[in-house]
Amino acid sequence: GQNIDQPTEMTATEGAIVQINCTYQTSGFNGLFWYQQHAAEAPTFLSYNVLDGLEEKGRFSSFLSRSKGYSYLLLKELQMKDSASYLCASLDSNYQLIWGAGTKLIIKP
Amino acid sequence: NAGVTQTPKFQVLKTGQSMTLQCAQDMNHEYMSWYRQDPGMGLRLIHYSVGAGITDQGEVPNGYNVSRSTTEDFPLRLLSAAPSQTSVYFCASSYTNTQYFGPGTRLTVL
Repeated sequence: GQNIDQPTEMTATEGAIVQINCTYQTSGFNGLFWYQQHAAEAPTFLSYNVLDGLEEKGRFSSFLSRSKGYSYLLLKELQMKDSASYLCASLDSNYQLIWGAGTKLIIKP
Repeated sequence: NAGVTQTPKFQVLKTGQSMTLQCAQDMNHEYMSWYRQDPGMGLRLIHYSVGAGITDQGEVPNGYNVSRSTTEDFPLRLLSAAPSQTSVYFCASSYTNTQYFGPGTRLTVL
């Protein structure tokens, strides 16, 4: 079956660094997405990885290892506004997104 | 550009009632989809469309119908609402594989 695993909740301190992990098992693979979702709002696109390695975009970076079925989202210099859920999604062989349940990130001052 | 819009934002229905959730996009995207989001679960695909006149079922299509008469609009119809359909519904559109979401409709079925 198809499965996306990510931690349910994480806590970090303002100004620190946090890494949110995601493992995936899908029928085929055409890339890995990360979305941010603030409470009671729509998900918004953060990153897309299809090749192995690290992609950096400002304070946010995303890493992919296709051989390990593993990705992580790295958030640096955490700000209070980064408190949100972070959704991992794999694009399968039919180009359909398979979504994880999301990781709720709590930032403490 | 308004992006993806959804109406209504909130809705309460009684069991057995029917209703249509509206979704529109002004980005000329061919691909549109409907998801539901429930606590502790990932987004689940209900129906999707790859262009006007073409629709297909997703992971959880039972109890829902869709149509796509224009590129812009992709309404979702609940035929006979059930408490199990209480959820947050998101419409999304995409040009490449990146999906752009509407603000969501929060539906409660009593």
